[in-house]
Amino acid sequence: EDKVVQSPLSLVVHEGDTVTLNCSYEVTNFRSLLWYKQEKKAPTFLFMLTSSGIEKKSGRLSSILDKKELFSILNITATQTGDSAIYLCAVEARRNSGGSNYKLTFGKGTLLTVNP
Amino acid sequence: GAVVSQHPSRVICKSGTSVKIECRSLDFQATTMFWYRQFPKQSLMLMATSNEGSKATYEQGVEKDKFLINHASLTLSTLTVTSAHPEDSSFYICSATRYGGVGETQYFGPGTRLLVL
Repeated sequence: EDKVVQSPLSLVVHEGDTVTLNCSYEVTNFRSLLWYKQEKKAPTFLFMLTSSGIEKKSGRLSSILDKKELFSILNITATQTGDSAIYLCAVEARRNSGGSNYKLTFGKGTLLTVNP
Repeated sequence: GAVVSQHPSRVICKSGTSVKIECRSLDFQATTMFWYRQFPKQSLMLMATSNEGSKATYEQGVEKDKFLINHASLTLSTLTVTSAHPEDSSFYICSATRYGGVGETQYFGPGTRLLVL
């Protein structure tokens, strides 16, 4: 069974701090790893990673994937109160039943709280 | 970006009743829609994958007779929770994809919060 583990489960920091969120996975037929930010409603897409060692950046957020060690990190620099959310890591993999169907397996998320 | 809507956003019902949740892709045709459930402080758990014009694929442990999925058109999928019980109370989220793949091209709806009394 595909497994995605995130750490820490929760984190409280002050504005301006830098945080690193971790995601490790065990899946068969890996295709990509994705990061989402979830506030009160549904997740919003942040990054999709498919290749090892290539950092993706979007403003103060960046992420990288290590396919050999099976993990990814999400970095947020100069955190702001608006960054407070649950950050979800998901791995896209082909279904065990084969065919062209893929599915996402989510980790439990990291609850980030940024205090002013 | 693409928009996916869900209706209703919140529903409260009595135990034993059935509840239908709609998921619509507003500006694109979705070949595949996914239904997830999220309990408080838990992650999203995939319940089923819905392909237009064919039967849904349910994940292990999800009762297909209890969670009826209909993907009648390329813009609409419905999830019906039959004979709902308090343990079915959860946040139900759908997502839709244009090309049958997932990941970057998967767009999430805003979710439906179900409370069964």
